Amino acid sequence: GNSVTQMEGPVTLSEEAFLTINCTYTATGYPSLFWYVQYPGEGLQLLLKATKADDKGSNKGFEATYRKETTSFHLEKGSVQVSDSAVYFCALKGTGGFKTIFGAGTRLFVKA
Amino acid sequence: DTGVSQDPRHKITKRGQNVTFRCDPISEHNRLYWYRQTLGQGPEFLTYFQNEAQLEKSRLLSDRFSAERPKGSFSTLEIQRTEQGDSAMYLCASSSTSGETDTQYFGPGTRLTVL
Repeated sequence: GNSVTQMEGPVTLSEEAFLTINCTYTATGYPSLFWYVQYPGEGLQLLLKATKADDKGSNKGFEATYRKETTSFHLEKGSVQVSDSAVYFCALKGTGGFKTIFGAGTRLFVKA
Repeated sequence: DTGVSQDPRHKITKRGQNVTFRCDPISEHNRLYWYRQTLGQGPEFLTYFQNEAQLEKSRLLSDRFSAERPKGSFSTLEIQRTEQGDSAMYLCASSSTSGETDTQYFGPGTRLTVL
């Protein structure tokens, strides 16, 4: 079945450092891919999405590119801020399916 | 657009009691989902409604769990005879069949603690 694997955390970075959180997936067909973010004490928020191969999703300085050949959707940001400290979830929604399948989440700590 | 709302935000109950949670989706969304999230994990799918019809249920949803969406608007999730293993965050999400992709928007969740 469909699944998502993302790098384990926590990831600790200094402010202005470069961020990469790896995500790979297993799915048949052409799933839609998502990154959600969960800030402390808040609900899940959609950060960005990509619906077909080679699409790049971007929002708030974060980017991820849908790579079908490597079945990956890595999240990147060039310069993180303390306010980016949160848990990041990679997720997919299969073709014709209803449910979204989530990775286990990666906690990011950004130090000033 | 006021977003997805859930009530209550927190619920503490004793083992064996019944609990009910409510979800109000984004008003124009016809799809509604329930997920469960335990500490350190991503959300796990429980069930899905399109309008008032419940179209899919996870095997995680035992016979103690029941969900309804009687008028195709708000939804309720009831857990009967709660167990300590039911302690989790229960998330509701909604989406629309219109638009380029079926993106789900999540509510703040109801945190259930079973003592």
